[in-house]
Amino acid sequence: SQTIHQWPATLVQPVGSPLSLECTVEGTSNPNLYWYRQAAGRGLQLLFYSVGIGQISSEVPQNLSASRPQDRQFILSSKKLLLSDSGFYLCAWSVGQGQGKNIQYFGAGTRLSVL
Amino acid sequence: QKEVEQDPGPLSVPEGAIVSLNCTYSNSAFQYFMWYRQYSRKGPELLMYTYSSGNKEDGRFTAQVDKSSKYISLFIRDSQPSDSATYLCAILPGANNLFFGTGTRLTVIP
Repeated sequence: SQTIHQWPATLVQPVGSPLSLECTVEGTSNPNLYWYRQAAGRGLQLLFYSVGIGQISSEVPQNLSASRPQDRQFILSSKKLLLSDSGFYLCAWSVGQGQGKNIQYFGAGTRLSVL
Repeated sequence: QKEVEQDPGPLSVPEGAIVSLNCTYSNSAFQYFMWYRQYSRKGPELLMYTYSSGNKEDGRFTAQVDKSSKYISLFIRDSQPSDSATYLCAILPGANNLFFGTGTRLTVIP
């Protein structure tokens, strides 16, 4: 069966510091991968998605970037964190493209506090 | 107009009550509809998904789609305190992106 791992669970970082959040998926090949941010009362905001190694689509211009160095690894990064980057970050995967194949499954999330 | 709208609640019900959670959506072409449950400080977990119109039942949970009204519902029968969570509806319009509702926070009181 497929599993998704996301770490760390909680992170406290000072303003201006770098960020690296990692997500890996097991039990499937060539998944679609996603990064979301969830703010209280505002739902899920899609940040990036990837349909393959090195292929990244950005949904929202911001202080963050994403990379996919391996088939089942997705990394969310920042060179300098802002206070507004605080939030709950979620990684998700889906089987592939097309109707019915894009049902997404989520990791446990990383709660980031920028102080 | 947002692609999907969801009443944020919060909703409090006594244990054993029937719960109705609802979303409306904007585009009649949408065909895949999902419900996720999210416990506090956890990632969303997929509860159910339905294709096109009609009902789908899984234990105490029933998902219903009314395409004529562009309205989707999740019913929880015999609600339990363990059902206390935020419930997110989601709609799949195309290849990559899901449209999520903002979530309804449900509390089931023992």
